[in-house]
Amino acid sequence: QSVLTQPPSASGTPGQKVTISCSGSSSNIRDNGVYWYQQVPGTAPTLLIHGTNQRPSGVPDRFSGSKSGTSASLAINGLQSEDEADYYCSAWDASLNGPVFGGGTKLTV
Amino acid sequence: EVQLLESGGGLVQPGESLRLSCVVSGFTFGNYAMSWVRQAPGKGLEWVSSISGSGRNTYYAGSVKGRFTVTRDNSKNTLYLQMNSLRVADSAIYYCAQNYPMFDYWGQGTLVTVSS
Repeated sequence: QSVLTQPPSASGTPGQKVTISCSGSSSNIRDNGVYWYQQVPGTAPTLLIHGTNQRPSGVPDRFSGSKSGTSASLAINGLQSEDEADYYCSAWDASLNGPVFGGGTKLTV
Repeated sequence: EVQLLESGGGLVQPGESLRLSCVVSGFTFGNYAMSWVRQAPGKGLEWVSSISGSGRNTYYAGSVKGRFTVTRDNSKNTLYLQMNSLRVADSAIYYCAQNYPMFDYWGQGTLVTVSS
């Protein structure tokens, strides 16, 4: 059972917008930055979003992050076939004194 | 180019030990905290342990505290994870990652299987 809750799956067609949610609590998402990682099947995760809404260099601006209260979201605009992957949210948890992850969302394009 | 290369995984029996290594290149190793994150087959990500750039401060998930020890050798650009009293539940791909609690770059992982 993951500390952060994500829907197990999401889907969309090329060009559409998809949003993936991540639900947490006051000990993690509400008071801390949120990270998102992308994991293409068979490969290692890569950092997609940090500081809730900041993209590392090289990440397309089709990807954006936001949060409100104890929930965060990852939005992908202009969906492309190469976006098919697993997406994980993460945040620092003050109660557990460490970073925690969501269970992951498998995105099908 | 940042590169992280893990090694040391394998098949062990419950109760046995294993030491993982992660050799890095492409950045000033001692300037960064480093972490281990694992992923059980077909499952999600779980933070395991982290260590400060100097090596003075270490951090562990509750599930491994007291059994795993993270260390680093900044002269060798190498991160280690000593895993003792291994359990079946520790079976996973173990990834080495740069930084903490954000994981900027990840290695390709090394598979640890604990089974009798």
